[in-house]
Amino acid sequence: DAGVIQSPRHEVTEMGQEVTLRCKPISGHDYLFWYRQTMMRGLELLIYFNNNVPIDDSGMPEDRFSAKMPNASFSTLKIQPSEPRDSAVYFCASSPHRGHGVRDTQYFGPGTRLTVL
Amino acid sequence: GENVEQHPSTLSVQEGDSAVIKCTYSDSASNYFPWYKQELGKRPQLIIDIRSNVGEKKDQRIAVTLNKTAKHFSLHITETQPEDSAVYFCAASITGTASKLTFGTGTRLQVTL
Repeated sequence: DAGVIQSPRHEVTEMGQEVTLRCKPISGHDYLFWYRQTMMRGLELLIYFNNNVPIDDSGMPEDRFSAKMPNASFSTLKIQPSEPRDSAVYFCASSPHRGHGVRDTQYFGPGTRLTVL
Repeated sequence: GENVEQHPSTLSVQEGDSAVIKCTYSDSASNYFPWYKQELGKRPQLIIDIRSNVGEKKDQRIAVTLNKTAKHFSLHITETQPEDSAVYFCAASITGTASKLTFGTGTRLQVTL
């Protein structure tokens, strides 16, 4: 398995532009997580999905952020309009079905480094 | 919700010495505690985890201890090597539910020669 795949790896954009980050989870994993990492706030959970359904989006900073998971193998995180304070590394992670005796390990993608000028 | 505190924020040790990182959590229902290692510019990767039904787990030079009564858990690295230099994150969650990992703020470990 190739692991969690994210694209693009680097994104530089200007303030006000729309940014779309993409993620392909590990095949067979039921959970998908979007995180944001900055020096100031560390690793923050933005939203997570279970079987393509958003379960908890309480970490989404504001209405400019939206996430979708149209099928089990693809998710997007969109920022519109982007602002300089959105500059961060965005990680996608996936996890297998959770249950008694099953590991809850989250497997992270390589991340997308976003710079908003 | 769950709150995880991690100490110290930075730690410098000499090669061959031991390193200890400590975390506390607030939700007594939490029962799964993983540790992630993140090298510079890389993704976080799981290095060891522990569940609440055991008090200690060891994997070669890495060990984790858990005290459920006090709600704290620790990562121990023995015989540190330069390649151990990284940021380490602890986390806590409740297994068996549609729950999420709550991460600590990270510890930057520097192993000097």
